[in-house]
Amino acid sequence: AQSVTQLDSQVPVFEEAPVELRCNYSSSVSVYLFWYVQYPNQGLQLLLKYLSGSTLVKGINGFEAEFNKSQTSFHLRKPSVHISDTAEYFCAVSDQGGSEKLVFGKGTKLTVNP
Amino acid sequence: DAGVIQSPRHEVTEMGQEVTLRCKPISGHNSLFWYRQTMMRGLELLIYFNNNVPIDDSGMPEDRFSAKMPNASFSTLKIQPSEPRDSAVYFCASSYEGFQSGANVLTFGAGSRLTVL
Repeated sequence: AQSVTQLDSQVPVFEEAPVELRCNYSSSVSVYLFWYVQYPNQGLQLLLKYLSGSTLVKGINGFEAEFNKSQTSFHLRKPSVHISDTAEYFCAVSDQGGSEKLVFGKGTKLTVNP
Repeated sequence: DAGVIQSPRHEVTEMGQEVTLRCKPISGHNSLFWYRQTMMRGLELLIYFNNNVPIDDSGMPEDRFSAKMPNASFSTLKIQPSEPRDSAVYFCASSYEGFQSGANVLTFGAGSRLTVL
């Protein structure tokens, strides 16, 4: 069975600073990887996904993530954050060729301060 | 498209009462998921359906929880009887499962916030 670990439950940063949200996964098979974002009182929406090919994936709102198979990681980065990036970020994994079951990490609350 | 529609958005009930949460997935999507979100446990998959058939209900906490999908455009999650520990936000999500199983993006509803007193 897959599992996802998000190492930081909260990350406070100042506006225009860079940020990295960490995600490690565990699976016995090849996986697909996702980052979702949840704004207050809303459902989750997709930021980016890794299916295959280039290990550097670009998403919406200037975010990107890098798949590292040897370290089983999929860290999310943004070079310069805005106040509007304040939200909770979830890393998720599913098995390639397996079921549609998506397993989420516990989330990282990103707070961008002025 | 109006997206995934959930109702009610908020529900406050007393312990022992029956609760029914409803979901209308995106038209054309063939997979539907019910997740529960709490501070302690994060996002937990309760059950998912493919083509209206329950595929994996291993996350359903106990017999008090049941879910149905009578047709492609409607699903319910029922809790009977409800308990205070069921208080959470319940999300419905849908996706289209094509040939690349596991690669599909979920579209989430806005959630139903349940409070059981």
